[in-house]
Formats: sequence, C-alpha cells, structure tokens
Amino acid sequence: AQKVTQAQTEISVVEKEDVTLDCVYETRDTTYYLFWYKQPPSGELVFLIRRNSFDEQNEISGRYSWNFQKSTSSFNFTITASQVVDSAVYFCAHTGTASKLTFGTGTRLQVTL
Amino acid sequence: KAGVTQTPRYLIKTRGQQVTLSCSPISGHRSVSWYQQTPGQGLQFLFEYFSETQRNKGNFPGRFSGRQFSNSRSEMNVSTLELGDSALYLCASSKDINTGELFFGEGSRLTVL
Repeated sequence: AQKVTQAQTEISVVEKEDVTLDCVYETRDTTYYLFWYKQPPSGELVFLIRRNSFDEQNEISGRYSWNFQKSTSSFNFTITASQVVDSAVYFCAHTGTASKLTFGTGTRLQVTL
Repeated sequence: KAGVTQTPRYLIKTRGQQVTLSCSPISGHRSVSWYQQTPGQGLQFLFEYFSETQRNKGNFPGRFSGRQFSNSRSEMNVSTLELGDSALYLCASSKDINTGELFFGEGSRLTVL
C-alpha cells in the first residue's frame, strides 16, 4: 500500500529565509508519480509539480526547487527566499498508474515579516 | 480559461438528510475525481470518473455515490448524512486518466448538524 509521510506539521519562518518541506513515501509500484500541491486559505489545491519515478533529476522553478531521491524514498521541496504569499498548507502526494492520489497529512507553512 | 467550479460552496444539513454536490470540470477535461478533506483523516480519495464511467473508488461506504454526465460534469451524493461527513469536498479534473495532474476546485464545505 502507498503511504506518504510529511513529518513536519507546521513550520514558521521569517520572510526571505529558505525553507525545506520534507516528504517520504512508501510504494510497491515500479512506476509511480509524485506531486506537490499548495492549499491556500481559499481551499483549492494548486498543482506545483509532478515527477515520475524514472526521472530523478532535480527541478527548479523560480524560487521553488525539488529534490527527488529514490534511494531514500524522498521528494523534498525547498522554497528559497520565502515570501508571505508562500504561507499555505503544502501537500505531497503519490499515485501509481491511476489518478487516485494518496496525500500526506500536509505541512502548514507560516511566513512572517 | 475557467477553472473547476463546485457548487454549492457552503451548505448545512442535518443528520439523516442527503446532499448532492456538483462539479463542472475545466473545458476539455474528461476525468473528474472527488476527495474528502477532514482535519482528522486529511485528504482521502472518494472516486474518479472518466467518460461517464467510474474508474476508481476509495474506501467509503455505499452512502457515497457519484456520477458523471456526457458533458463531463459530475455530481456526488451522500445519503443518510452522519456528523462525521462534515468535511470539505474537493473536485478535481484532468485531461485524461492516469496523469495525476489534477486541477482542483475550491470545494464544497458541508456541515452536518
């Protein structure tokens, strides 16, 4: 069975600090996808990134970067120079061959001035 | 491009009643999935529809049902409501099944009294 663990329940940082959100997954699938979603106070989940199990290349998108390591079953997310607008709950998720996502419990990020 | 639209946004019901929630996917998206979000259980997959057929179902009792219409719009129904059904119900659409790149609506927040 798939399982996604986000051990950090809540993180508070001051604006401009870098912050890393951890995600560890368990899966029996040989092919799978990992995701990060952002949930602002308005409620909708916003897609940030999808990574498939064959692609361990790290990805950078502006201030966001992702580190995927199959050896440790981790898919960590780093925000560089955090901003107040980054305050949200961030979810890591996994899926095998279907669109049925298994989500972690989320990490609430609070960025203050 | 219009996003995923969910109606109603908020509703209050009493135990034993039933509720129907509606979801209009992004134009051109044929897959619709539903998730329940509660503080205790987090985000849990309910079901997924593609071309009017249920493709996946989560571990929820038969009181939870859904359907998809020929225009890809979807509805979910919960009968004989229980207090524990109070949750944010999120609908997500994607172009095809198996991509996992989901676009979520803002959700329907159901309160059962």
